Amino acid sequence: EVQLVESGGVVVQPGGSLRLSCAASGFTFDDYAMHWVRQAPGKGLEWVSLISWDGGSTYYADSVKGRFTISRDNSKNSLYLQMNSLRAEDTALYYCAKGYCSSTSCYGIFDYWGQGTLVTVSS
Amino acid sequence: DIQMTQSPSTLSASVGDRVTITCRASQSISSWLAWYQQKPGKAPKLLIYKASSLESGVPSRFSGSGSGTEFTLTISSLQPDDFATYYCQQYNSYSLTFGGGTKVEIK
Repeated sequence: EVQLVESGGVVVQPGGSLRLSCAASGFTFDDYAMHWVRQAPGKGLEWVSLISWDGGSTYYADSVKGRFTISRDNSKNSLYLQMNSLRAEDTALYYCAKGYCSSTSCYGIFDYWGQGTLVTVSS
Repeated sequence: DIQMTQSPSTLSASVGDRVTITCRASQSISSWLAWYQQKPGKAPKLLIYKASSLESGVPSRFSGSGSGTEFTLTISSLQPDDFATYYCQQYNSYSLTFGGGTKVEIK
């Protein structure tokens, strides 16, 4: 059974830093791209970042580019999101999500999600 | 970035109704569109990918169509378990974007 378990969400002051983690199990972690997707309270979904299966390629939403860094440790089946220079608008539930692959190709969509970890940026 | 616009934002319907949700892209995305269902307090669930391909395990009452800039999600006969919020998402580029969501409520 695929499981994604996020951790690290807390209340942090504006301008602060935070590192989120996602522990993956139930699938061959280093076969798949991984993503972070967030959802502000009562709002819609916003894709945050993508990392390729080997960590060699990373992509970011414009709203977080230059402030957030995605990384992974395939030896630990873990995904991370380093968040710096946090703003009030970064307040959200952060989901870790597994990239989708068919038998022939992989795509920028998400077939498994964690339950999320809540980040609150407030003074 | 490609903007995704969903309509309506809220939809009131009864069990057994045929429901259609529209998603429009600000530029052509070919068929690189997915649909998700999200229930309160839960993570989203993938329903459809590549505009019309049904994800494994998803009931056949869900269907998707469209290409280019206009897409639809149709629920042929609304069931009690289908009251939820639905999101479209484009994956034509590496800057992935979602629509604003459509909440399907009980009439």
